[in-house]
Amino acid sequence: DAKTTQPNSMESNEEEPVHLPCNHSTISGTDYIHWYRQLPSQGPEYVIHGLTSNVNNRMASLAIAEDRKSSTLILHRATLRDAAVYYCILRGGTDKLIFGTGTRLQVFP
Amino acid sequence: DTAVSQTPKYLVTQMGNDKSIKCEQNLGHDTMYWYKQDSKKFLKIMFSYNNKELIINETVPNRFSPKSPDKAHLNLHINSLELGDSAVYFCASSHQPPNYGYTFGSGTRLTVV
Repeated sequence: DAKTTQPNSMESNEEEPVHLPCNHSTISGTDYIHWYRQLPSQGPEYVIHGLTSNVNNRMASLAIAEDRKSSTLILHRATLRDAAVYYCILRGGTDKLIFGTGTRLQVFP
Repeated sequence: DTAVSQTPKYLVTQMGNDKSIKCEQNLGHDTMYWYKQDSKKFLKIMFSYNNKELIINETVPNRFSPKSPDKAHLNLHINSLELGDSAVYFCASSHQPPNYGYTFGSGTRLTVV
């Protein structure tokens, strides 16, 4: 299974945009890029996913590099409620999400 | 309406006991999963069922036995509980193609004393 690399932690101030990077240099052509987040004491929560084109939804935007070897999750205006661990995961033919250590996002008022 | 519900939310039990955790999803998904999150917060897949058939078994001790009576339910039975089984167990569901997201339950915190 292709692996992803994310920074261990990032910080942001409230109401500022946050760009969470993810490297996945060994991605295969059929792998989808998924993002999940886990708030304290809760289960992981689906955020967004994409294959080749940039994607937007009510929670976030996903920017995918042209070569697909990296992607960036964009939170347009961080809130205190966005403080969580964010996981970038590749989902392909094996049908299992393999979680790494993720990026712990701290948001300051 | 809770999409993926697990019971119980908390479970404290003694070593050697047998316990079960139940999971139900009302999303019409065809695949269900059990994940374990240990004390270091590392999430690892244990099992996956597609339409009641086991498709992933990640070298989990055979004291752990999943059972799927129908595609909306996936229960986890654990025999002879050990201290190392203490963890948070998450149930999840999805459609099988990789362009679908998973929906996770809120977890069952199991403490073995």
